[in-house]
Amino acid sequence: EAQVTQNPRYLITVTGKKLTVTCSQNMNHEYMSWYRQDPGLGLRQIYYSMNVEVTDKGDVPEGYKVSRKEKRNFPLILESPSPNQTSLYFCASSPLLTGLTGELFFGEGSRLTVL
Amino acid sequence: RKEVEQDPGPFNVPEGATVAFNCTYSNSASQSFFWYRQDCRKEPKLLMSVYSSGNEDGRFTAQLNRASQYISLLIRDSKLSDSATYLCVVKGKNYGQNFVFGPGTRLSVLP
Repeated sequence: EAQVTQNPRYLITVTGKKLTVTCSQNMNHEYMSWYRQDPGLGLRQIYYSMNVEVTDKGDVPEGYKVSRKEKRNFPLILESPSPNQTSLYFCASSPLLTGLTGELFFGEGSRLTVL
Repeated sequence: RKEVEQDPGPFNVPEGATVAFNCTYSNSASQSFFWYRQDCRKEPKLLMSVYSSGNEDGRFTAQLNRASQYISLLIRDSKLSDSATYLCVVKGKNYGQNFVFGPGTRLSVLP
C-alpha cells in the first residue's frame, strides 16, 4: 500500500532532550516536506527536499534540522526541543514531475509535547 | 502580502446550502492548483486538482482564473460530512518550486 509513515505518532518529552521524528514513503517520490500545525496558524512549512541531498528551509526552520540521505526517508531532528515546539507535525511527499501536477501525500501526523 | 490567501471563515451553513470558497495567489508563475480537505487533527487529503478549464466532481466544482490569479471551490447541496477545513494549495511548474498552502477556511454544515 502506498503510504507516508511517521513515527512516533505521539510523544511527550522534556526541554533539551534531542529527538527525531522519522518519515518514510514507499512511492519513490522526489519531493518531501515537513509542516507544523498550531491552532489558528494553519500549516506552516519547516523544511522541504526536492531530492536526495537537496533540502531547503521553509517558513519556520528555526530549531529544526533535516537530512535526505535516501530518497524514501526524511527525518526531522529537534536538537534541543523547547515548549514552543509543541505542535502537530505532518510529513508529506509528492512525485515532483516537471510540468505536471503532483498530488501531495501526507502522513497521519505526529503530536509532540515538550514540557 | 501572503502568497496564498483565502476567505477567513468560518462558514456556518445549513444542510443543503451552496457554499463558495475563494483563494488568491500572488506568484504568477504558479502552474498547479489544488483544493485539500482537512478534518480536525487529521492529515490533509486531496479533494480535487483545479484545471484551467474548470472541473467538476459530483457536488464539487473548481474554477481557475489565471488572469486574476484566483481559484474557487463551490460545494452544492452541502452535507454534514462536508464539515472540515478547506485548504487552497498552489505549486510552480519548474523543478525547485514548492507547494504553498493557504491558511484554510473552516466550514461547519449544520443540521
